[in-house]
Amino acid sequence: KQEVTQIPAALSVPEGENLVLNCSFTDSAIYNLQWFRQDPGKGLTSLLLIQSSQREQTSGRLNASLDKSSGRSTLYIAASQPGDSATYLCAFEDSNYQLIWGAGTKLIIKP
Amino acid sequence: EAGVAQSPRYKIIEKRQSVAFWCNPISGHATLYWYQQILGQGPKLLIQFQNNGVVDDSQLPKDRFSAERLKGVDSTLKIQPAKLEDSAVYLCASSWGAGGTGELFFGEGSRLTVL
Repeated sequence: KQEVTQIPAALSVPEGENLVLNCSFTDSAIYNLQWFRQDPGKGLTSLLLIQSSQREQTSGRLNASLDKSSGRSTLYIAASQPGDSATYLCAFEDSNYQLIWGAGTKLIIKP
Repeated sequence: EAGVAQSPRYKIIEKRQSVAFWCNPISGHATLYWYQQILGQGPKLLIQFQNNGVVDDSQLPKDRFSAERLKGVDSTLKIQPAKLEDSAVYLCASSWGAGGTGELFFGEGSRLTVL
């Protein structure tokens, strides 16, 4: 059974710190991997999409990497701000074009 | 560009009652998804449409849940009769692509509470 694990489940850091969120998956035959952000009571917003042929994607202070051989993706957030507080979810698309989701990491940035 | 629209945002019903949720995807998006998200968990796919055809409904509890996508645009998700365990946020998403998921765009969700 394909699984996605996100560790830690929750993280609290002071404002300004650089941080890394982790996503591990069991199926190396992925089609792509996406990182999403979810604010309380809201839907999900796509942050970054990494195709299987790519190693990383960057958007502003966010950088996502993908290592299929080790079954890992990381989301790096530089110079964290209180507005970055949210739940971050990763999901990979398998060879059947199905999205397999992690449970998310709840991030709190303390002012 | 208008985003994915969902209604109602909130609904409270008693068990065994029925409820319907509506979704209007981004214009031109061929694929539409309904997800169920229980607090503290990732989304669970209920049904995926490509245009007005069903691609995957393997996790849809068909004895109580139904969904349709008329004319390949708007979609409705119905629950009848509702159970306590149906309390969740129902998320609608759409994507451009026909093969592969591509980038997903989500609505704000419809939060259902079953008492």
